[in-house]
Amino acid sequence: QQQVKQSPQSLIVQKGGISIINCAYENTAFDYFPWYQQFPGKGPALLIAIRPDVSEKKEGRFTISFNKSAKQFSLHIMDSQPGDSATYFCAASVTGNQFYFGTGTSLTVIP
Amino acid sequence: DVKVTQSSRYLVKRTGEKVFLECVQDMDHENMFWYRQDPGLGLRLIYFSYDVKMKEKGDIPEGYSVSREKKERFSLILESASTNQTSMYLCASIQGSAETQYFGPGTRLLVL
Repeated sequence: QQQVKQSPQSLIVQKGGISIINCAYENTAFDYFPWYQQFPGKGPALLIAIRPDVSEKKEGRFTISFNKSAKQFSLHIMDSQPGDSATYFCAASVTGNQFYFGTGTSLTVIP
Repeated sequence: DVKVTQSSRYLVKRTGEKVFLECVQDMDHENMFWYRQDPGLGLRLIYFSYDVKMKEKGDIPEGYSVSREKKERFSLILESASTNQTSMYLCASIQGSAETQYFGPGTRLLVL
């Protein structure tokens, strides 16, 4: 049973465009929603995270939008660059407990 | 910077072999995790540990065991490797209820 559902599986975006990756969850006890970025040959690294008391968090070109009532959250990458090409994972957890990861999105940004 | 290291980047083993994957973290983190990563399935938790000599099953523990004799070291053991255990294995650590989980670079295991 997938605790966190992620889409799309792959995404191709032109340089300068907006990349959007979506995740949905069922467990309303989750209180922490991070996004991880993984480059080939590397382990995932925390990119940005949000808690459900806010609806949006922005760090540079990366924004998380959070919809508590819909139990959905999404990652927006503005002005996408070829260097953003990577696999992105959403995740959810109850603080101090196990993380549940989405299935990943392979992003390719075309120059 | 937190550093999580894994003993091997690539391993090739034969079916039935016993396989040890080692993970070491240098930030005195309490919690350590072993995941496997497969295309289309994301990261799935195999085992985790909240303290020395403590272990908890994750979502897919079958065919695996773990050992944590020292706080900084968490080992994943495949008692009798099978071809369906061919995968990328990722170790991670986190300090208590902190937010950021730190991952190692992964071990790509091929079981022939």
